[in-house]
Amino acid sequence: GENVGLHLPTLSVQEGDNSIINCAYSNSASDYFIWYKQESGKGPQFIIDIRSNMDKRQGQRVTVLLNKTVKHLSLQIAATQPGDSAVYFCAENSGGSNYKLTFGKGTLLTVNP
Amino acid sequence: DAGVTQSPTHLIKTRGQQVTLRCSPKSGHDTVSWYQQALGQGPQFIFQYYEEEERQRGNFPDRFSGHQFPNYSSELNVNALLLGDSALYLCASSPPGGTEQFFGPGTRLTVL
Repeated sequence: GENVGLHLPTLSVQEGDNSIINCAYSNSASDYFIWYKQESGKGPQFIIDIRSNMDKRQGQRVTVLLNKTVKHLSLQIAATQPGDSAVYFCAENSGGSNYKLTFGKGTLLTVNP
Repeated sequence: DAGVTQSPTHLIKTRGQQVTLRCSPKSGHDTVSWYQQALGQGPQFIFQYYEEEERQRGNFPDRFSGHQFPNYSSELNVNALLLGDSALYLCASSPPGGTEQFFGPGTRLTVL
């Protein structure tokens, strides 16, 4: 099947703390994953992506970890800021002739000042 | 460098009407995908256009149709609107040979 879901629908953290958002996927054929940030009233904003031949990828203040054994993806945000408050989605693609992204429901991250 | 743009921003229609939404991809991108996002949900894939043809389609009825023009811009058409078609319609573009999809701000469609 093609099911991408999140363990936690909401996450509340203090400013300056690190945040971890988790995502589980069920399609073992998935080989490309993206994290998006979506602020209220806006379209999803690309944060970081990772391919299945990698376990970890780092960006500016963000790190994505991929565990293919348990089909789990996580997004780590360092020194979380109020501007990081948004809904975060993971999306997956299984490549080949499948071009669509399959999204989970999202996690609402709230950063308290 | 403009990102993905969509028009209009908001739209209100009544049941049974038809609507056309428009999308211009990011400069240099040649592939356009359309998604429907209901309130509180993740985006759902409608279809993708490449080389002016529908390359892949999601689980949406034939009331949903599209078009891609030679300049890579795209339109989404929805006929016989239903209340359940109310949603944020998102367009995403991809670079040649790329898997990444970059989204526009969306068009908020309300069907009354």
